[in-house]
Amino acid sequence: GAGVSQSPSNKVTEKGKDVELRCDPISGHTALYWYRQSLGQGLEFLIYFQGNSAPDKSGLPSDRFSAERTGGSVSTLTIQRTQQEDSAVYLCASSSRGTPTGTIYFGEGSWLTVV
Amino acid sequence: EDQVTQSPEALRLQEGESSSLNCSYTVSGLRGLFWYRQDPGKGPEFLFTLYSAGEEKEKERLKATLTKKESFLHITAPKPEDSATYLCAVQTSNTGKLIFGQGTTLQVKP
Repeated sequence: GAGVSQSPSNKVTEKGKDVELRCDPISGHTALYWYRQSLGQGLEFLIYFQGNSAPDKSGLPSDRFSAERTGGSVSTLTIQRTQQEDSAVYLCASSSRGTPTGTIYFGEGSWLTVV
Repeated sequence: EDQVTQSPEALRLQEGESSSLNCSYTVSGLRGLFWYRQDPGKGPEFLFTLYSAGEEKEKERLKATLTKKESFLHITAPKPEDSATYLCAVQTSNTGKLIFGQGTTLQVKP
């Protein structure tokens, strides 16, 4: 597709279960970002991939959160042993290059509800 | 510490009533400043990127400007369809990640 694609668009899971969220960036984009947005809040940085460089994981809130990017394209954000406070929209973004800044485009997000 | 602050938090305008949104930032090195529009239940929609002080960009009723300390998003003669949350973000030169402000929620009444 032409834009950043995220799946699932909505996910309801039970507390304690693991979830995987997927992001398909725009074709050819080397930079990929994950953000979290809780209800009525701003965007919280989680992790940033740029090409083959080591990812910037400084925003991951706990060791229950991890992300990988396979083949420099698709990324998966995994949340283990989900907690109710993990309920949020998880947004993925991509851009064509890290330096200088390319336009950074966002997907529509994956809405996660932990019950 | 890198920081982005947007004001006001909320803004109500009558249709046609022009105004400005503010984004103040403190960063160790600015690679770019981004403005996004976000509608309820949607991902942020890209509007502008500004790279250096003095730069201005326009799109329809929106105009973004940048100084060394802040950016303004000017809305001229807004329409109800301009109602949304406007997000400002800075990309730092040493990390590459975007740091977002809390947003300004704009409501334009007919």
